[in-house]
Amino acid sequence: GDSVTQTEGQVALSEEDFLTIHCNYSASGYPALFWYVQYPGEGPQFLFRASRDKEKGSSRGFEATYNKETTSFHLQKASVQESDSAVYYCALGDPGGSNAKLTFGKGTKLSVKS
Amino acid sequence: DAGVTQTPRHEVAEKGQTIILKCEPVSGHNDLFWYRQTKIQGLELLSYFRSKSLMEDGGAFKDRFKAEMLNSSFSTLKIQPTEPKDSAVYLCASSLMDWDEQYFGPGTRLTVL
Repeated sequence: GDSVTQTEGQVALSEEDFLTIHCNYSASGYPALFWYVQYPGEGPQFLFRASRDKEKGSSRGFEATYNKETTSFHLQKASVQESDSAVYYCALGDPGGSNAKLTFGKGTKLSVKS
Repeated sequence: DAGVTQTPRHEVAEKGQTIILKCEPVSGHNDLFWYRQTKIQGLELLSYFRSKSLMEDGGAFKDRFKAEMLNSSFSTLKIQPTEPKDSAVYLCASSLMDWDEQYFGPGTRLTVL
């Protein structure tokens, strides 16, 4: 079945560090790919999506590029802030039909210290 | 605009009880989702409705979990009977249509003793 793998369970950085969170997927066709962010005590929030090969999604300084060759959608940010501390989820839409149904990765907890 | 509302925010139940969690989606949204979130399994889809029709009933969760959409602006998730392994955060989300972002509620934290 379809799956999403986030390599890092936890990432610890200092402010102004460069962030990369790795996301690889396994699915047929061209699923839509998403990043969501979850702050403590809240539900996940949509960050951005990409729907086709080489498309870049971005929001709030975060970005990721859809790469069908490497089946990846890695999240990056040039300079993190303490307020970016949260759990980040990569997700893919159902490629066989509606992209409404999402499969989420296990999440990566980002901790940024000032 | 009001976001997704979930009640209660916290629920404590004894093993074997029946509990009902409630969700009000964003007004006008066509799709509604129920998820379970745990540290070990992460986010797992329980049920998915499109225009009030049940599209997915969660496979392994079918036997004790039942989600319903009573109307386009209200959904419930019933767990009957509860077991300690059901302790988790239950999240409701809605989206306008296919391809759109999902808007999540704050979740209900369920503890089963």
